[in-house]
Amino acid sequence: LAKTTQPISMDSYEGQEVNITCSHNNIATNDYITWYQQFPSQGPRFIIQGYKTKVTNEVASLFIPADRKSSTLSLPRVSLSDTAVYYCLVGRGGFQKLVFGTGTRLLVSP
Amino acid sequence: NAGVTQTPKFQVLKTGQSMTLQCAQDMNHNSMYWYRQDPGMGLRLIYYSASEGTTDKGEVPNGYNVSRLNKREFSLRLESAAPSQTSVYFCASSEGLASGGRQDGEQFFGPGTRLTVL
Repeated sequence: LAKTTQPISMDSYEGQEVNITCSHNNIATNDYITWYQQFPSQGPRFIIQGYKTKVTNEVASLFIPADRKSSTLSLPRVSLSDTAVYYCLVGRGGFQKLVFGTGTRLLVSP
Repeated sequence: NAGVTQTPKFQVLKTGQSMTLQCAQDMNHNSMYWYRQDPGMGLRLIYYSASEGTTDKGEVPNGYNVSRLNKREFSLRLESAAPSQTSVYFCASSEGLASGGRQDGEQFFGPGTRLTVL
């Protein structure tokens, strides 16, 4: 399973765009990149997943360069409720043994 | 749909006691998982069941056993609890590859069980 590296913490203000970058130099050809969000005292929640280029859904965008050795989660116009821990994971889609690192703790301030 | 449910929500045990954490999903998923999360850490996989009738060890299986009772239910048992097992336990499920599901599946997590072993 490919190891991921992401910043331990980030600070932002309401209304700003937040970009969290994750490096995964050893990603395998058939690995997908997935991001989860976790609020205190809750289980993680799936945000977005991609294989290459750009993926966008109603809450975030995921940018993946051609070499796939890194990825960037983009949260547009964050609000206080986006304060959470964000995990970047790589692995096969569908059934997969997810490996969670320590994640990025995002703090959004007024 | 309730999604993934876990019982109990909280539990306090004494060292050496045993207990079973229950997990059920109503999404007709093939794969189910048990994780533990220690304070300030990410989740670590304890055991998983790729499909009904199969179970396998994850990253930290020592001190635990699991049972995939049927497609819906996946239980985690601590035979002799130790203080090092104090943690929050999360159950999750996913479509899995066995169903011919999408290659880009996601895992759905339950609310967690907060376990303290004294």
